[in-house]
Amino acid sequence: DAGITQSPRHKVTETGTPVTLRCHQTENHRYMYWYRQDPGHGLRLIHYSYGVKDTDKGEVSDGYSVSRSKTEDFLLTLESATSSQTSVYFCAISEGLNEQFFGPGTRLTVL
Amino acid sequence: GNSVTQMEGPVTLSEEAFLTINCTYTATGYPSLFWYVQYPGEGLQLLLKATKADDKGSNKGFEATYRKETTSFHLEKGSVQVSDSAVYFCALYAGNNRKLIWGLGTSLAVNP
Repeated sequence: DAGITQSPRHKVTETGTPVTLRCHQTENHRYMYWYRQDPGHGLRLIHYSYGVKDTDKGEVSDGYSVSRSKTEDFLLTLESATSSQTSVYFCAISEGLNEQFFGPGTRLTVL
Repeated sequence: GNSVTQMEGPVTLSEEAFLTINCTYTATGYPSLFWYVQYPGEGLQLLLKATKADDKGSNKGFEATYRKETTSFHLEKGSVQVSDSAVYFCALYAGNNRKLIWGLGTSLAVNP
């Protein structure tokens, strides 16, 4: 299994608070992705990174920011969490621009 | 643009039944095609893939053939088990960006 961890695995927070989710990889893969998974919507890409300090927006990036200061870490920040951001968040990594390997997910609840 | 369409679920089968989950795609050029599986409470994992027309991907008894003439990549298994209960995602990579294009997923429940 690809070495991908996500932290925290579960989080409950209140509307308006900042939240940061961490994705850590030990595979030295170049590409990293953040998705959210919601019933009826499948997987939706939030942001992705194609190298250290190189990031780009996905299809649902509003309200989210990311940072990648090291190859192994990709952080997703909700500056001011809203109830619509209650979701399961998955990190994925890739080296070859096609096959992606997924982390175990973070379940976030915004009250 | 590029897109993936999967049959809607949930699909409910009895153990040892034959499974087909349909997936069709729209893409320019020659995309790579994937099936991912998500078991309850877990992340997605690659089940099989095919990178060119007429390729057959296979793994764990599942198969899918890349059919360019029908733009399809249907997932099949001859005899499902309870342990196959999961959500299955079809995806494509068209090579013109850094992203996979995902279907919405099909939930499969297999009853003993």
